[in-house]
Amino acid sequence: AQSVAQPEDQVNVAEGNPLTVKCTYSVSGNPYLFWYVQYPNRGLQFLLKYITGDNLVKGSYGFEAEFNKSQTSFHLKKPSALVSDSALYFCAVRDWDDNNAGNMLTFGGGTRLMVKP
Amino acid sequence: DTEVTQTPKHLVMGMTNKKSLKCEQHMGHRAMYWYKQKAKKPPELMFVYSYEKLSINESVPSRFSPECPNSSLLNLHLHALQPEDSALYLCASSPGTGFTYEQYFGPGTRLTVT
Repeated sequence: AQSVAQPEDQVNVAEGNPLTVKCTYSVSGNPYLFWYVQYPNRGLQFLLKYITGDNLVKGSYGFEAEFNKSQTSFHLKKPSALVSDSALYFCAVRDWDDNNAGNMLTFGGGTRLMVKP
Repeated sequence: DTEVTQTPKHLVMGMTNKKSLKCEQHMGHRAMYWYKQKAKKPPELMFVYSYEKLSINESVPSRFSPECPNSSLLNLHLHALQPEDSALYLCASSPGTGFTYEQYFGPGTRLTVT
């Protein structure tokens, strides 16, 4: 099974500073990686994905992520954090079952981002 | 329309009740999903429907029964639930079953079993 890990339960950053939310992956074959954000009492919103190509992926709301194959990482970044970015962030990897049905997402444990004014 | 809708937003039910959760999308997506999410935890996959057929059942207890009446609708029928089933139930959809598709999530139904 494929897996992702988010080593930090919480990240604190001051508004205006750059932010990084970390994710490492473990896959057999090509990784298909995703970032989602969840605001309180809401569903998950898709931010960006890495399928192939450029290692720097740009997404919604000014977020971007850097795919690093040698470090098996896919860290989420933003140059200047906003208070409104405070939320729960999930890294995810495309997974499949024994029948090779590739319709599954396996999520990391989540990282709470707190941006303070 | 790029939205997945879920009803109801909140549901409180007793352990002997029968209730249903409803999910709807009008994006022409052919794959739909049910997830269960406990507080401060990642979503856990329950079921996957692909082209209106159940393709994945993640060993979910039979007190949860999914149904896909058509390509836009997904239901989750609930019966004889336990208090530990209290959670946020999320529905999602994706254009197809390929590896590259992202999933679009609804806002969820907050279920409390008393």
